Amino acid sequence: AQKVTQAQTEISVVEKEDVTLDCVYETRDTTYYLFWYKQPPSGELVFLIRRNSFDEQNEISGRYSWNFQKSTSSFNFTITASQVVDSAVYFCALTKAAGNKLTFGGGTRVLVKP
Amino acid sequence: EAGVAQSPRYKIIEKRQSVAFWCNPISGHATLYWYQQILGQGPKLLIQFQNNGVVDDSQLPKDRFSAERLKGVDSTLKIQPAKLEDSAVYLCASSFVRVMGEQFFGPGTRLTVL
Repeated sequence: AQKVTQAQTEISVVEKEDVTLDCVYETRDTTYYLFWYKQPPSGELVFLIRRNSFDEQNEISGRYSWNFQKSTSSFNFTITASQVVDSAVYFCALTKAAGNKLTFGGGTRVLVKP
Repeated sequence: EAGVAQSPRYKIIEKRQSVAFWCNPISGHATLYWYQQILGQGPKLLIQFQNNGVVDDSQLPKDRFSAERLKGVDSTLKIQPAKLEDSAVYLCASSFVRVMGEQFFGPGTRLTVL
């Protein structure tokens, strides 16, 4: 069975600080995909980033970056120079193959204060 | 491109009543998902359709929940009779399977059972 754990329930920062969200996953599959979604107060889940299990290269996309480490089953996500609009709940999710269900973590609420 | 549409956005009912939710996926997306998100938790898959066939309904409480996807496009999710613990946000998502499993979510329907 798949499992995703987000140990941080809430993080509060001041605008322009960096925020790192932790995600640890469990799966027996050798091929899988990891995602980060953002859920603002409006409620709609917004796709942010995706990484597949056979590509551990870490990347930066604008103010977002991620650190995928297969050896520790972690897929951490960083927002650089946070802004008030980044305030939301962030979910890490896992799927074993394209088109299969997402297994979500419990979410981390990020509050960015001006 | 229009996103995933859901209606109603909010619904308040009393326990033992019935309720139905509607979802219209992104045009061309063969896979449709219904998730239940209880307050403070990550979404949990209820049922997954591929065109108009069910792929996964292992976590659907079949004694009270039902879902259909006629003609492989729109879908409805029904609860009859509702229980207090059914209070949650019901999210519909769709994906074009060939594209890396990315799911696009609708705004959700917030159900309150009194």
